Amino acid sequence: DAGVTQSPTHLIKTRGQQVTLRCSPISGHKSVSWYQQVLGQGPQFIFQYYEKEERGRGNFPDRFSARQFPNYSSELNVNALLLGDSALYLCASSLGSVVNEAFFGQGTRLTVV
Amino acid sequence: TQLLEQSPQFLSIQEGENLTVYCNSSSVFSSLQWYRQEPGEGPVLLVTVVTGGEVKKLKRLTFQFGDARKDSSLHITAAQPGDTGLYLCAYSYSGGGADGLTFGKGTHLIIQP
Repeated sequence: DAGVTQSPTHLIKTRGQQVTLRCSPISGHKSVSWYQQVLGQGPQFIFQYYEKEERGRGNFPDRFSARQFPNYSSELNVNALLLGDSALYLCASSLGSVVNEAFFGQGTRLTVV
Repeated sequence: TQLLEQSPQFLSIQEGENLTVYCNSSSVFSSLQWYRQEPGEGPVLLVTVVTGGEVKKLKRLTFQFGDARKDSSLHITAAQPGDTGLYLCAYSYSGGGADGLTFGKGTHLIIQP
């Protein structure tokens, strides 16, 4: 079975632009959560979606938004990019609404110049 | 949000040595998870500890959950270069509109041949 897949793997954007990152969870998993990981730090929680509804939001500005589709895949959107948004963006899927065990994708490396 | 403090932040040792890394908090957790992350990859779940005083073994890795469920440790016996990576502890926060995993900053472990 395929694991969590994220696209694209790498991305370079200019300040002020908008970006959309995509994630496909493990088959049968209904929960997707997004994390931002800056170099040398642990991942920081951005959003969790379960059954297409937002279940949780971390401490990120409104420039960050996400959604989950009927097939449980998900998109993370970031508007008005700042240099500080440069990071590895990780998607994780889990079976239920409580993220007890998360399976992570490879991540999308976003560089804002 | 409860903080997880991981120590040491960095550790570089020779192949064959033993080591212990720590994950501490002043809060009580229902469970804690340990992940390992290699460069350019997403974190991979190693173990979840649930019961106070619990010890779990994964080959040369031994995980312990403190009796009071406030802390955890990871001990590696006879470390190998393949153990190199970022070791992260995390807990699952549920409620208050922030469902997701909260990570510590991690321990960067380098095993030199």
